[in-house]
Amino acid sequence: KAGVTQTPRYLIKTRGQQVTLSCSPISGHRSVSWYQQTPGQGLQFLFEYFSETQRNKGNFPGRFSGRQFSNSRSEMNVSTLELGDSALYLCASGGGTGTYEQYFGPGTRLTVT
Amino acid sequence: GQNIDQPTEMTATEGAIVQINCTYQTSGFNGLFWYQQHAGEAPTFLSYNVLDGLEEKGRFSSFLSRSKGYSYLLLKELQMKDSASYLCAVSPTTSGTYKYIFGTGTRLKVLA
Repeated sequence: KAGVTQTPRYLIKTRGQQVTLSCSPISGHRSVSWYQQTPGQGLQFLFEYFSETQRNKGNFPGRFSGRQFSNSRSEMNVSTLELGDSALYLCASGGGTGTYEQYFGPGTRLTVT
Repeated sequence: GQNIDQPTEMTATEGAIVQINCTYQTSGFNGLFWYQQHAGEAPTFLSYNVLDGLEEKGRFSSFLSRSKGYSYLLLKELQMKDSASYLCAVSPTTSGTYKYIFGTGTRLKVLA
């Protein structure tokens, strides 16, 4: 089975711009979660989508949003970028073995200048 | 609140055994997970515990005590490639979702 894929892998944006990141989960997995990883804060949960519905949301401002499509692919959007949004954004795929394991993609490294 | 604590750094020698501890306080509990993350790479799944006791998987074992809010990851016969960060994560919900709360990770250095 192919693993979790994320595009793009690297991105440089300017303050005030918006960005969309994409994640394709492992085939057959219906859950996609998004995390932000920074050196100071570690891995912080952003949100989880399951069957096109947002099932959980972390403590991030409304500038962070996401959606999931019928084929389980997910996108994450950040509007009005701030310098502090520079981070590694990881998506994780989970699915149906009853054990709630998640498998991470390689991440998108976002730099905001 | 929800809190997961683990040591920031540990150092051990090649061939030795190391135990990385994790304590947690969460509003609910649906499993505890350990991940390994090499610098610049994504976390990779190591183990999952939902019931008390020890789960063994090759050189790696993980233990859970739900009553104490405590887990450890045991790495035996350490190799240089085990130098990485080890992340403890808890699924804090009881309704079966994939939301995880992560600790800040333990950076393990394996010395020759």
